[in-house]
Amino acid sequence: NAGVTQTPKFQVLKTGQSMTLQCAQDMNHNSMYWYRQDPGMGLRLIYYSASEGTTDKGEVPNGYNVSRLNKREFSLRLESAAPSQTSVYFCASSDVGRSYGYTFGSGTRLTVV
Amino acid sequence: QKEVEQNSGPLSVPEGAIASLNCTYSDRVSQSFFWYRQYSGKSPELIMSIYSNGDKEDGRFTAQLNKASQYVSLLIRDSQPSDSATYLCAVISGNMLTFGGGTRLMVKP
Repeated sequence: NAGVTQTPKFQVLKTGQSMTLQCAQDMNHNSMYWYRQDPGMGLRLIYYSASEGTTDKGEVPNGYNVSRLNKREFSLRLESAAPSQTSVYFCASSDVGRSYGYTFGSGTRLTVV
Repeated sequence: QKEVEQNSGPLSVPEGAIASLNCTYSDRVSQSFFWYRQYSGKSPELIMSIYSNGDKEDGRFTAQLNKASQYVSLLIRDSQPSDSATYLCAVISGNMLTFGGGTRLMVKP
């Protein structure tokens, strides 16, 4: 039982390059999320998908796009990377419901130079 | 104003002591509250959830909720060096989970 799988684990980009972070979950969860974590800032929500076919902006969506490919997969794309996007990115999933206990992936450490 | 506030620490306690971690939140209609533990370089893992006023115990962990004061806390009894980590408070606000900045706990042998 893998839970939430993120790829890649590490990435270095040059300013202006693009890339897609992949996320897949095998828990049959309806909702999926992308967060970024910066020192002293905690986890901040970039985008989320409450269910297959829907996506919504979170707290810090600028510079990112997302695709909910199917119920299992939710990708995050950086079209033109900037140094300000250097961060650790976490994907998470949950069932809609009162518990809202999120399961997180292992994270992607992204550096933009 | 950040919606979920935590003291960043570090909070240092000796092994065997009780560690007390605190969190305040601004959204009065929040109904669900969570504590996550995050070891350095790892992803957050859920350790406690609480929905009603009062205390909820799970092993060495006790979560406390006071909705009138908009305050949630986590007590760790018999603290161990392996409890050294950052503890994140999280609150359902609107339709999503909002995190505090986390409190770094250091348990010294």
